[in-house]
Amino acid sequence: SQKIEQNSEALNIQEGKTATLTCNYTNYSPAYLQWYRQDPGRGPVFLLLIRENEKEKRKERLKVTFDTTLKQSLFHITASQPADSATYLCALPPNTGFQKLVFGTGTRLLVSP
Amino acid sequence: SQTIHQWPATLVQPVGSPLSLECTVEGTSNPNLYWYRQAAGRGLQLLFYSVGIGQISSEVPQNLSASRPQDRQFILSSKKLLLSDSGFYLCAWNLQETQYFGPGTRLLVL
Repeated sequence: SQKIEQNSEALNIQEGKTATLTCNYTNYSPAYLQWYRQDPGRGPVFLLLIRENEKEKRKERLKVTFDTTLKQSLFHITASQPADSATYLCALPPNTGFQKLVFGTGTRLLVSP
Repeated sequence: SQTIHQWPATLVQPVGSPLSLECTVEGTSNPNLYWYRQAAGRGLQLLFYSVGIGQISSEVPQNLSASRPQDRQFILSSKKLLLSDSGFYLCAWNLQETQYFGPGTRLLVL
């Protein structure tokens, strides 16, 4: 069956450190993968999209890698700040279907001062 | 710029009552529109999507329905709510591959 797996346990790190979140998938062949941020009581907000032919993508303090052989994406936040505390969701298109996304359950990140 | 609105923001309804949640989008025409539900501590579940007026695709069989009476309006309805319908309902539209979400409606069915 198709699965998108993100660590359900919260990730606690200290301010200034690099946070690394993992998204693993099985039985998908995505042309791209996306990362979203969700704050409590709010809708998800798009952060980054990485395509299958891209190994790495950066945006300010964010870095995403995409390994289609391992079927894994890593999401890094460098020099983390308490304001980065949120739940981070990965999403990818299903194998069939028109412009839809399937979301992982997300990993909660807590950055302590 | 594009804006997406949802209302109401919160709703408490008794079991067996009807439901109507509304979503409207501004600043774009003929968007693809989506309804998701997020149960407490769980992921986003796609309920319905629409590629145009009157065109609705259902992802999960349930007692909910959706309608798109106008290009930028998407409505989620139920004739009789169940306890299991409680959750956070999100409307979204997409620009190419990316989806943009509304503020959501928190529904509590008692």
